Amino acid sequence: IQMTQSPSSLSASVGDRVTITCQANQDINNYLHWYQQKPGKAPKLLIYDASKLETGVPSRFSGGGSGTHFTFTISSLQPEDFATYYCQFYDNFLWTFGQGTKVEIK
Amino acid sequence: QEQLVESGGGVVQPGRSLLLSCAASGFSFSLYGMHWVRQSPGKGLEWVAAISYDGSDEYYADSVKGRFTISRDNSQETVYLQMNSLRSGDTAMYYCVKLGNSGSWLLAPFASWGQGTRVTVSS
Repeated sequence: IQMTQSPSSLSASVGDRVTITCQANQDINNYLHWYQQKPGKAPKLLIYDASKLETGVPSRFSGGGSGTHFTFTISSLQPEDFATYYCQFYDNFLWTFGQGTKVEIK
Repeated sequence: QEQLVESGGGVVQPGRSLLLSCAASGFSFSLYGMHWVRQSPGKGLEWVAAISYDGSDEYYADSVKGRFTISRDNSQETVYLQMNSLRSGDTAMYYCVKLGNSGSWLLAPFASWGQGTRVTVSS
């Protein structure tokens, strides 16, 4: 299965709504997860099973979609949200990350 | 509190070997599958290897198959990554990862990450 994450980068302002997509070429059900990584830090799980918010993660983060098309949204971008975001899925004993989306300050 | 602490990284010459360790604490280690994920400098995340909760199943990325071996010692709550025939392309930060809860460990998200251990392959 091939997964395309887009965009690869975006510039946004504090308070903006930001959406990132992951598109698969085959159905992966809802087993799609989203991570945030800040420079020099390990990734952090934000959303699992496409739309479930990990414990302790602010509600401005959300995920949606199913099958082949998935979205990750930050409803109102905060200064601490500037980071790189990755989607990730499992298929046939392989685990794959999307290419990443770097969210930068406009 | 769940904690994963990697060790064993360093600078190694091409063709040599290195053993990474990941000491776990704060959860029932023997109940969870574990993974290794790496990140080359300035690049994205790359899954490396996975092992089931009891060590009976192992899976590898094509880029490391036949060179790397994942293992675990549930009595020591530690997961290992034996890396042989190292190449410059293996230069990366290596993260140990604990899975979250799911009906199947294959589908579970990567819930907890260690701080990583850096491996540099260079002559």
